[in-house]
Amino acid sequence: DTGVSQDPRHKITKRGQNVTFRCDPISEHNRLYWYRQTLGQGPEFLTYFQNEAQLEKSRLLSDRFSAERPKGSFSTLEIQRTEQGDSAMYLCASSSSDRGASAGYTFGSGTRLTVV
Amino acid sequence: ILNVEQSPQSLHVQEGDSTNFTCSFPSSNFYALHWYRWETAKSPEALFVMTLNGDEKKKGRISATLNTKEGYSYLYIKGSQPEDSATYLCASIRDSGYALNFGKGTSLLVTP
Repeated sequence: DTGVSQDPRHKITKRGQNVTFRCDPISEHNRLYWYRQTLGQGPEFLTYFQNEAQLEKSRLLSDRFSAERPKGSFSTLEIQRTEQGDSAMYLCASSSSDRGASAGYTFGSGTRLTVV
Repeated sequence: ILNVEQSPQSLHVQEGDSTNFTCSFPSSNFYALHWYRWETAKSPEALFVMTLNGDEKKKGRISATLNTKEGYSYLYIKGSQPEDSATYLCASIRDSGYALNFGKGTSLLVTP
């Protein structure tokens, strides 16, 4: 297992287009998280999955955002009708323990989204 | 304190210097405090997860302490090396949810 994989690494899109990102967590990890980081800020929580169930969503996750984890393995994050304010680094993380209490989260390298 | 706050925002030290950073977090409904190191172009890497008041953890030259009653944690680096250059993030999580709330980080630069 090579860790948490995210695809693509970079995405440039025109305003109004839809984009989808993929995250493949560590296979033994049943907990998966999406975060977003904008310039000068720390990562901000977007959503949390335990297996295939989405258990928590941030208020940051507007109606244009949707996340899925259909079989409790990989996850996708879709942004519809992108806006310039969506430009950010989107980070995925996974863990095997409740709230990462034993070893923290394992993060992917992120997807850098630029909306032009 | 409502949010996680870190200080200083950035730090520039010489190789061999020891340094420390501060993280303040909400003490109510506390569950855990995480520290991560994030090097440029890499993934954030977990350093410590701390849950108990008075906890002290150590990994090589890096150590951390936790005070859950007053809501602060310190990260210490002894004898800084250039490879320690990174952004150090702390994050707290409450027992009422799953969101790890991050501070803005402390950017450390160690020059030879």
